[in-house]
Amino acid sequence: GAGVSQSPSNKVTEKGKDVELRCDPISGHTALYWYRQSLGQGLEFLIYFQGNSAPDKSGLPSDRFSAERTGGSVSTLTIQRTQQEDSAVYLCASSLTGWGGRADTQYFGPGTRLTVL
Amino acid sequence: AQKITQTQPGMFVQEKEAVTLDCTYDTSDPSYGLFWYKQPSSGEMIFLIYQGSYDQQNATEGRYSLNFQKARKSANLVISASQLGDSAMYFCAMREGRNTGNQFYFGTGTSLTVIP
Repeated sequence: GAGVSQSPSNKVTEKGKDVELRCDPISGHTALYWYRQSLGQGLEFLIYFQGNSAPDKSGLPSDRFSAERTGGSVSTLTIQRTQQEDSAVYLCASSLTGWGGRADTQYFGPGTRLTVL
Repeated sequence: AQKITQTQPGMFVQEKEAVTLDCTYDTSDPSYGLFWYKQPSSGEMIFLIYQGSYDQQNATEGRYSLNFQKARKSANLVISASQLGDSAMYFCAMREGRNTGNQFYFGTGTSLTVIP
């Protein structure tokens, strides 16, 4: 079946503008994660959604960042008043469940490369 | 303390030889899962192999195997018969039991270069 998809693949924006990044998880996957990866760095956890539970927002770096997940499927990450330090690749991943074991295996999308000028 | 430690920023291996990528982890949770991912220059993260903390045997997936030493808290990835396409970044990750938190913890990665 189809994997995780993300759009846009690339986004160039001016400092101070708002951006929206979209993630379509694998059908049937209840858990969804957002990460940020700066050039040559590891993954930085941003936010986690599990079913209808309240999201875990503990990784969001500031209140300029927010995310929602509609209908337990598609998710949108919004960055308001973008700053140059927000430039990174934003990766979305989904997993079958968030309850432990092999079913926690995350499958990643291709990412959105955000450049803030 | 770091949850996941990968001490080899860069590794080189001759084509067709085996290579071991190191990973140590830190948790007090008896229930956890360990994962390895490959990230080629294209950027997409590719799942390679999973090991559960209660699994009795080391996980294997084709040319990938996980050398799981629970007492030492290590989960090294072994790639046998290296191929040029194995050149990539490799990330070790851990998910603790659901009562501990929701995060996956990723290491800083090891860059593997396969030499022809």
